[in-house]
Amino acid sequence: DAKTTQPNSMESNEEEPVHLPCNHSTISGTDYIHWYRQLPSQGPEYVIHGLTSNVNNRMASLAIAEDRKSSTLILHRATLRDAAVYYCILRNTGANSKLTFGKGITLSVRP
Amino acid sequence: NAGVTQTPKFRVLKTGQSMTLLCAQDMNHEYMYWYRQDPGMGLRLIHYSVGEGTTAKGEVPDGYNVSRLKKQNFLLGLESAAPSQTSVYFCASSYSMRMNTEAFFGQGTRLTVV
Repeated sequence: DAKTTQPNSMESNEEEPVHLPCNHSTISGTDYIHWYRQLPSQGPEYVIHGLTSNVNNRMASLAIAEDRKSSTLILHRATLRDAAVYYCILRNTGANSKLTFGKGITLSVRP
Repeated sequence: NAGVTQTPKFRVLKTGQSMTLLCAQDMNHEYMYWYRQDPGMGLRLIHYSVGEGTTAKGEVPDGYNVSRLKKQNFLLGLESAAPSQTSVYFCASSYSMRMNTEAFFGQGTRLTVV
């Protein structure tokens, strides 16, 4: 499985935008880019995913580089509740595809 | 709609004891997964299943067994618990990978082996 690289941690201020980077230089053409987050003492929850084009949903936006070797999760207006570990994951459509987590990036939000 | 339910939520075992963790999903998902998460770490895949009656090994399968006799249930067994298996266990489920949809996670089972 192709790997992703994320910074260990990031801090932001409440009500400001947050850009969480992810590098995936060995991504293959069939790999989708998924983001999950894990709030303290909870199971992970899905945030967003995309293949080539930028994606928006009610939680966040996903900006994907033209060469697909990197992507950025954008939280448009951080709240205290967004403090969590964010995981960037590559997932392909093969029959035995697994969902493999790295260490993720810990986002802290300052009031 | 309950989603993914894990039973039990907490358990303390003595070394050498056995137990089974139950994961149940009501979304008719094909794929189910078992992960463990140790302090300060990401989730590591133990075993997974791509359909009823099938199972496969993940990254850290040693010391665990699984069964998927019914589509909605995925059981994780510890035959002889060891302190190294103290962890938080998460179950997840999703539709077929070909649909590349999101995975849904349970709230976790906190297991302590003394």
